[in-house]
Amino acid sequence: DTEVTQTPKHLVMGMTNKKSLKCEQHMGHRAMYWYKQKAKKPPELMFVYSYEKLSINESVPSRFSPECPNSSLLNLHLHALQPEDSALYLCASSQENTIYFGEGSWLTVV
Amino acid sequence: QKEVEQNSGPLSVPEGAIASLNCTYSDRVSQSFFWYRQYSGKSPELIMSIYSNGDKEDGRFTAQLNKASQYVSLLIRDSQPSDSATYLCAVRNYGQNFVFGPGTRLSVLP
Repeated sequence: DTEVTQTPKHLVMGMTNKKSLKCEQHMGHRAMYWYKQKAKKPPELMFVYSYEKLSINESVPSRFSPECPNSSLLNLHLHALQPEDSALYLCASSQENTIYFGEGSWLTVV
Repeated sequence: QKEVEQNSGPLSVPEGAIASLNCTYSDRVSQSFFWYRQYSGKSPELIMSIYSNGDKEDGRFTAQLNKASQYVSLLIRDSQPSDSATYLCAVRNYGQNFVFGPGTRLSVLP
């Protein structure tokens, strides 16, 4: 079972809204990721959590705030986003040498 | 210099032919290499991983790695229209950081 579950699948939010993307995995993986993917571009790393601690932050603007409540859950809190933040947000987890993606959350900022 | 490079394509091959996808990487200490397939509007799906020089075969797919040349390829035999997708090469450099190439669009023509 290599399932990473993301909710919601689609989200439309205004620039003044606060919303959250959620991710869950029950594979016992100790590393979890947020990637952002724009159309016709590869996934770009945003954050990595390793053993529930933030280990990589790729200079992401503070309007994106990650949270790892436990080893199975990863959230991405969104506040005061811009239209250019509209993208597919991918959660992933990894064990040893392989990374597995969830189905993604399509975010539209209006 | 980009860390992971691929030809963007599109690469068009007739049904039943061999599709050859190429990837180069810049970091000599990279140890783990992956090929992902991404259909339009979907998340990346792992096809192959390879860690040692040489070939690795899985069904119609063969990954080839040459660390001295910093080159990894994916061959798809007996290409099918359902193989039409974007193929992402990914490299694990250090820690939990997986870096993706820009992807190659493959079109298999019936």
